[in-house]
Amino acid sequence: AQKVTQAQTEISVVEKEDVTLDCVYETRDTTYYLFWYKQPPSGELVFLIRRNSFDEQNEISGRYSWNFQKSTSSFNFTITASQVVDSAVYFCALSEYANDMRFGAGTRLTVKP
Amino acid sequence: DTGVSQNPRHKITKRGQNVTFRCDPISEHNRLYWYRQTLGQGPEFLTYFQNEAQLEKSRLLSDRFSAERPKGSFSTLEIQRTEQGDSAMYLCASSLMTSGETDTQYFGPGTRLTVL
Repeated sequence: AQKVTQAQTEISVVEKEDVTLDCVYETRDTTYYLFWYKQPPSGELVFLIRRNSFDEQNEISGRYSWNFQKSTSSFNFTITASQVVDSAVYFCALSEYANDMRFGAGTRLTVKP
Repeated sequence: DTGVSQNPRHKITKRGQNVTFRCDPISEHNRLYWYRQTLGQGPEFLTYFQNEAQLEKSRLLSDRFSAERPKGSFSTLEIQRTEQGDSAMYLCASSLMTSGETDTQYFGPGTRLTVL
């Protein structure tokens, strides 16, 4: 069965600090997809990244970077030089099929000025 | 390109009443999903459609929940005989399925249901 664990319930940092959000997943499939979504206080889930299981290259997008390691079943998300606008709940999700996406419980990030 | 829209944004109802929510997907998207999100949790998958066909409904929470997408465009989610435990955010997402790969789902703002 597929499962996503985000062990960090809440993280608080001061602006400009770097912060890493952890995501560990479980799956029996060799083909799967991993996602990160951001849910700001307004409530709408915003898509950040999608990764398939055959692509272990790390990705960087501006201040955001993702580290995918199949050996440890992890897909961690790092925000460099955090800003107040980064405050949100961040969800990691796993999809083994084209229809069923399982989300972790989320990590609430607070960035203080 | 407008995003996914949901109406109403908030719904307050009394226990035992029926409620219906609407979701309008991104216009060219052929897949539409419904999720429920309770406080402090991630979204929980309920059901999904490809065009007008409902391809998965075993994860609907009970037989009080039903969904339709009659013309393959907008969708409705109905909850009959609401219970206090149904209070949650109901999220809709849509995607464009073009190949065998998993597609990326884009979410609407949600409908927050409060059952008194």
